[in-house]
Order: sequence, then structure tokens, then C-alpha cells
Amino acid sequence: AQKITQTQPGMFVQEKEAVTLDCTYDTSDPSYGLFWYKQPSSGEMIFLIYQGSYDQQNATEGRYSLNFQKARKSANLVISASQLGDSAMYFCAMRAYNTDKLIFGTGTRLQVFP
Amino acid sequence: DAGVIQSPRHEVTEMGQEVTLRCKPISGHDYLFWYRQTMMRGLELLIYFNNNVPIDDSGMPEDRFSAKMPNASFSTLKIQPSEPRDSAVYFCASSPRRNTEAFFGQGTRLTVV
Repeated sequence: AQKITQTQPGMFVQEKEAVTLDCTYDTSDPSYGLFWYKQPSSGEMIFLIYQGSYDQQNATEGRYSLNFQKARKSANLVISASQLGDSAMYFCAMRAYNTDKLIFGTGTRLQVFP
Repeated sequence: DAGVIQSPRHEVTEMGQEVTLRCKPISGHDYLFWYRQTMMRGLELLIYFNNNVPIDDSGMPEDRFSAKMPNASFSTLKIQPSEPRDSAVYFCASSPRRNTEAFFGQGTRLTVV
């Protein structure tokens, strides 16, 4: 069975600082993808970054990077130089190749303060 | 492309009534997902389709819920009869192929009174 765990219900970070949002996963499928989404207070789901299980390098997209540690089954999101607009819910998700389901963790609410 | 389009954006209905939520996926996407989001249960996958065929409906909570995808450009999620505990935001998402990200619609906020 697939499972995504986000243990941080809420995080605070000061503007311009970096923050790490934790995500661990579980799957028996050797091929899978890991995703992070942002949900601002307006409610839409915004795709941020993707990491494939066979990718050798950590994914990066602008200020977002994914710290992928396959042996530990973790896929933490790092946001560098936080901005006030980064305040939102952040969801980690996984899609195993065989089941093809896209499942989500419970989310982490990030608040950026000046 | 306009993205995934859901309608209506808001729906208020009385308990016992039938509710139909609609979704138009991005053209060319092979996969369509329906999710329900609540504070208590987070984002739950209800059902997903591949090439218009339902693949996994294990997340559909009860027989009151049904979903169809009659063609590649349209899907519906129906609740009959609706109950107050069905109140939630329902998202539709589509993805182009296996193991890729999904793109979400704006969601339908359903309130059952």
C-alpha cells in the first residue's frame, strides 16, 4: 500500500530565510514519482516540483528544491529565500507506477512573517 | 489551453437532493482524478479514470456516490441522495500520462444543508 506522511501540521519562517517541509513515503513499487503542491488561501492546487524515483539528482525549480533521500524514503521540500507570498498549505504527493494513484499527505501550513 | 474546468464553483443544496459536479479535463490528458477535501480527512482520492475507463473507485465513500466519464472531455461526479457530511470541496484533476503531475481545477465547494 502507498502512504505519504507529513508530520508538521504548521511551520513558521521569517522572510528571506530558508525552510524545510518534511515528507516521508512508503511504497513497494520500485518506480514512482514524488510531487509537491501549494494551496494558498484562495484554494487552488498549484504544482511545484517533481522527483522521479530513478532520478540521480535532486529536483530544483527556482526557489524550490526537493531533498530526495531514497534509502530513508523521504522527499523534503526546501524553499529558499522565503517570501510572504509563500504562506500557504503545502502537500506532498506520490504516484506509484503500477497503481497509478496520486495520493496526498495531510499537508503542512507554512506561515512566513516579516 | 484553459486548464481543468469544473462547474459549478459553488453548490448549496438540501439534504436528500441529487448533486452533479462536472469536470472538463485538459485536452490530450489520459488520466482524470476526483478528490474530496475536508478539514478532517484532508485530500481523499475518490476515483480515477484512464482513457475514460474507471480504474480504481476504492475511495468512493458509499453507493450514493457515482462517477462517469462518457468521453475524453467530460466527467461527472454524482451524489444521490446528498447528506450534510458530504459538504466539502471537490477537485477534479487531469494528467497527461503515467507517473506525471496532475493539474487541478478550481474545485467545487459543496454545502449540503
